[in-house]
Amino acid sequence: QKEVEQDPGPLSVPEGAIVSLNCTYSNSAFQYFMWYRQYSRKGPELLMYTYSSGNKEDGRFTAQVDKSSKYISLFIRDSQPSDSATYLCAMSGYNYQLIWGAGTKLIIKP
Amino acid sequence: SQTIHQWPATLVQPVGSPLSLECTVEGTSNPNLYWYRQAAGRGLQLLFYSVGIGQISSEVPQNLSASRPQDRQFILSSKKLLLSDSGFYLCAWQGGGNTGELFFGEGSRLTVL
Repeated sequence: QKEVEQDPGPLSVPEGAIVSLNCTYSNSAFQYFMWYRQYSRKGPELLMYTYSSGNKEDGRFTAQVDKSSKYISLFIRDSQPSDSATYLCAMSGYNYQLIWGAGTKLIIKP
Repeated sequence: SQTIHQWPATLVQPVGSPLSLECTVEGTSNPNLYWYRQAAGRGLQLLFYSVGIGQISSEVPQNLSASRPQDRQFILSSKKLLLSDSGFYLCAWQGGGNTGELFFGEGSRLTVL
C-alpha cells in the first residue's frame, strides 16, 4: 500500500463547477499538507499549505485536512479553464521529507 | 527573493552517452536541494537530496549520480544513459522555517533514443 493515494484522473468538469480533489494517506505522523499545481511541461508550484487539521481558504481555493480520517481535499470554486493542470498532494512529518501523491489531471471544459 | 534555475530545458541524447543537468539557486544560502524525476503521467520520484556541499543522499539505486560542488549548485549526472532514464527532471530547494515546502525549477525534459 502506498503511503499517499491519489486518483490520477483525468477529471473533466464544465467551467464554473466546483471541483473536489482528494488524497488519502496511511502515516499518522504526517503534520504538513500541501497542494501543488503543475501545468504541462512546467515545474510544480505550491498552491496551498496547511499544518495539521482544519481548513484554509485562498480566493477560490480551499484546502481541508481531516487527520482522524487521514484524508485531505482541495476544493476549487467557480473553476476556470486556466485551472486545467495536474494537482499533486504532498505531505510530511517533522522530518520535512515530502511524500507525494501521483497527481490528478484536471480538465476544465469551457 | 529566491529563484531557481535549471538547464538545459530540453535535450535528446543517444543511449550510452553522458548526461549533466545543472541547477542553481539564488537568494538563499545553505538550502536543502533535491532532484526528482517525473515519468509521463506519473508522480514525483525522489532521486537525490543534499543538505550541504558534498553531502548527497541517494534514494533510488540507479544509473545516475549527483554532486554539490558549491552551496547553491546541484548537478545530476550519468556516465552512460539508458532508455529508462528518459523523463522530466526537476530540481527543487526547500523553504526555510517550520514548513518544509519545496520550490521547483522549470524542469529538464530528457529523451534518450
